[in-house]
Amino acid sequence: EDKVVQSPLSLVVHEGDTVTLNCSYEVTNFRSLLWYKQEKKAPTFLFMLTSSGIEKKSGRLSSILDKKELFSILNITATQTGDSAVYLCGYNTDKLIFGTGTRLQVFP
Amino acid sequence: GAGVSQSPSNKVTEKGKDVELRCDPISGHTALYWYRQSLGQGLEFLIYFQGNSAPDKSGLPSDRFSAERTGGSVSTLTIQRTQQEDSAVYLCASSFLAGYPISYEQYFGPGTRLTVT
Repeated sequence: EDKVVQSPLSLVVHEGDTVTLNCSYEVTNFRSLLWYKQEKKAPTFLFMLTSSGIEKKSGRLSSILDKKELFSILNITATQTGDSAVYLCGYNTDKLIFGTGTRLQVFP
Repeated sequence: GAGVSQSPSNKVTEKGKDVELRCDPISGHTALYWYRQSLGQGLEFLIYFQGNSAPDKSGLPSDRFSAERTGGSVSTLTIQRTQQEDSAVYLCASSFLAGYPISYEQYFGPGTRLTVT
């Protein structure tokens, strides 16, 4: 059965800290991986990864995929309170399978 | 331009009643997706439309759930004889490229919070 596991489930840090969120998967017929940020209801798109070893960056956020070891990480450097959210990882196979997310809380 | 919109934003209904949830995708987006997010859970895929047809309905949790899309635009998710376990946030997303599995960015609506009492 396809599944996605995100860790940690929650994370509490102070502004300026760097965090690494993990996403591992066991899926068949992998096509791509997506990261979303969910602050209230609607998730907002962050990254789509299809190739192993190629880092994608957007400001203080970056992500990389390892298709051999079946995981992806999302890094956030110099965290700000506005980064507080649930970060969702989803794998695109024959269906889109999401993990339960990592809840990040950034305190001043 | 306008994003994905959903209505109502909140719906409280009694167990056994039918509910309809509406999604207006971004204009020109050919693909439309419905997800459900229960408390503390990740996003659960329900159904996907390419144009007006739904190639994959396997995510619908039971035959009480149905969805339709008309004119390649608005979609309605209907839940008949609601049960308490149907309580969740129902999210709709659309994407520009028609195609499944999902290859491109999806734009999510604000969701409908359904509470079944």
